[in-house]
Amino acid sequence: KQEVTQIPAALSVPEGENLVLNCSFTDSAIYNLQWFRQDPGKGLTSLLLIQSSQREQTSGRLNASLDKSSGRSTLYIAASQPGDSATYLCAVKGAQKLVFGQGTRLTINP
Amino acid sequence: DAGVIQSPRHEVTEMGQEVTLRCKPISGHDYLFWYRQTMMRGLELLIYFNNNVPIDDSGMPEDRFSAKMPNASFSTLKIQPSEPRDSAVYFCASSWTGVAIEQYFGPGTRLTVT
Repeated sequence: KQEVTQIPAALSVPEGENLVLNCSFTDSAIYNLQWFRQDPGKGLTSLLLIQSSQREQTSGRLNASLDKSSGRSTLYIAASQPGDSATYLCAVKGAQKLVFGQGTRLTINP
Repeated sequence: DAGVIQSPRHEVTEMGQEVTLRCKPISGHDYLFWYRQTMMRGLELLIYFNNNVPIDDSGMPEDRFSAKMPNASFSTLKIQPSEPRDSAVYFCASSWTGVAIEQYFGPGTRLTVT
C-alpha cells in the first residue's frame, strides 16, 4: 500500500527566503507526482505535475524534482512571498488513484 | 471552462439525516473522483468513476455511503444516515484519460453533522 509522507508538517520563514518542502513515498511504481496548493477553506490548486520519466518541472518561482528510485520529491520555492502562505500537498499517482501526503503548512512572515 | 462545480458549498445537518452532495465535472473529462478531507486522516479517495461506471469504491467507509454518476456531467455522493464522524470536507475532482494527466479539484463541500 502506497504511503506518502511530507516533512516538515509546518514551516515558518521570513519573506524572501528560498525554501524546500519534502515528500517521500514508499512504492516507486508511480505514474506521476503532483504538487498542490490549498488555501484555508478552499479547494486544491495544481502547481506542478512531474511524470515518472521526468526529473523535474519548473513554473515561475517553483521547481519540483522527482527521484523515483529513492521515493523522494522536493518542491523548491524561490524568493518566498507572504502570498505563498498555504498548505502544500504532494500526491503520487498509481494508475488512476492519487495518494496524498498530509501536507506542509507554510507561513511566510513579512 | 467553469472548472469542477460542487454543491452545496456548506451543509449542516443533524445526525440521522440523509445528505446528498453534488458534482459537475469539467466537460469532456471521463474520470470523476470523490475525496474526503479530515484533519486526522488527510485527503482520502472514496470512489472513482470512468465513463460513468464506478471503478473502485474501496475507499467508501461503509454502507451508509453511496455514489452515482447517471451521466457524464453529474455525480452524487449520498450519506444515509449521517453521523457526526462524517463531518469533513468532500472534494470532487475530474480528469481526462491518461495516467500522466492531472486531476482538477472542485472547491469542496464542508459537511457538518451535529
